[in-house]
Amino acid sequence: AQSVSQHNHHVILSEAASLELGCNYSYGGTVNLFWYVQYPGQHLQLLLKYFSGDPLVKGIKGFEAEFIKSKFSFNLRKPSVQWSDTAEYFCAVMMFSGGYNKLIFGAGTRLAVHP
Amino acid sequence: DGGITQSPKYLFRKEGQNVTLSCEQNLNHDAMYWYRQDPGQGLRLIYYSQIVNDFQKGDIAEGYSVSREKKESFPLTVTSAQKNPTAFYLCATTPGHLGETQYFGPGTRLLVL
Repeated sequence: AQSVSQHNHHVILSEAASLELGCNYSYGGTVNLFWYVQYPGQHLQLLLKYFSGDPLVKGIKGFEAEFIKSKFSFNLRKPSVQWSDTAEYFCAVMMFSGGYNKLIFGAGTRLAVHP
Repeated sequence: DGGITQSPKYLFRKEGQNVTLSCEQNLNHDAMYWYRQDPGQGLRLIYYSQIVNDFQKGDIAEGYSVSREKKESFPLTVTSAQKNPTAFYLCATTPGHLGETQYFGPGTRLLVL
C-alpha cells in the first residue's frame, strides 16, 4: 500500500545543532513532495516543495530538502537550528496515477529546540 | 491569515448529535479539502471538492458529510455515525487540484461530551 514514513516522531536538539528529518514514501510513479510546518498556535504552512528539476530545494527560514528518487526519500535539513524552529513538521507526498491521484501525509515529527 | 476561516475554534458534541464545522475562503481557490488530524497519525483526508456542487470521498469519509453550494464555503458535518469524532479538523484549499500547495485554515477542535 502507498505510504509516507517519517522516521522520528520526536526530536530534541540544542540551538545551533544540525537537523535532518527523514521522509520516505512507497510509490514508484510520479510524485510531488512537500514539507509543511506547524508552529505552536499557528496554521500549517508550506516550508518547501519539489515538483521537478533540481532535486535540492530550498525553503523558508534556511531549510532545504533533497529528493533522492532511488531511495524514495525527501529528507529535510537545516545546518543550524534556532529555538524558533520548535514546531511539528509534516512530510506530504502527492502520488500521480492516471486519473486517480492521492496525497498522503506522514505522521509528523515534533521538534523541540532548547536554547 | 491566509484567507481561510474556520469556526468555531472549539466545538462540543453530545452523543447522537450532528455538528457542522464551517470553512470559508476568500482566496478564490477552486478546490477545498477537509482533513482530520490525530496525534501521531498526521493528516487524513475526509472529503474534497474541486468545483462547486461536486465533492469526492477521501480516505476516512464514513460518518461525515459535506456540501459545496458556493465556491467560498465547504462545511463539514460530523454525524452521529462517526463513532470517534474527537480530533482536530483542518480545512485547506488549493488553486486548482490536489497536487498543488495546500493553504490551511486555523482548525476546529471537536470534543465529545
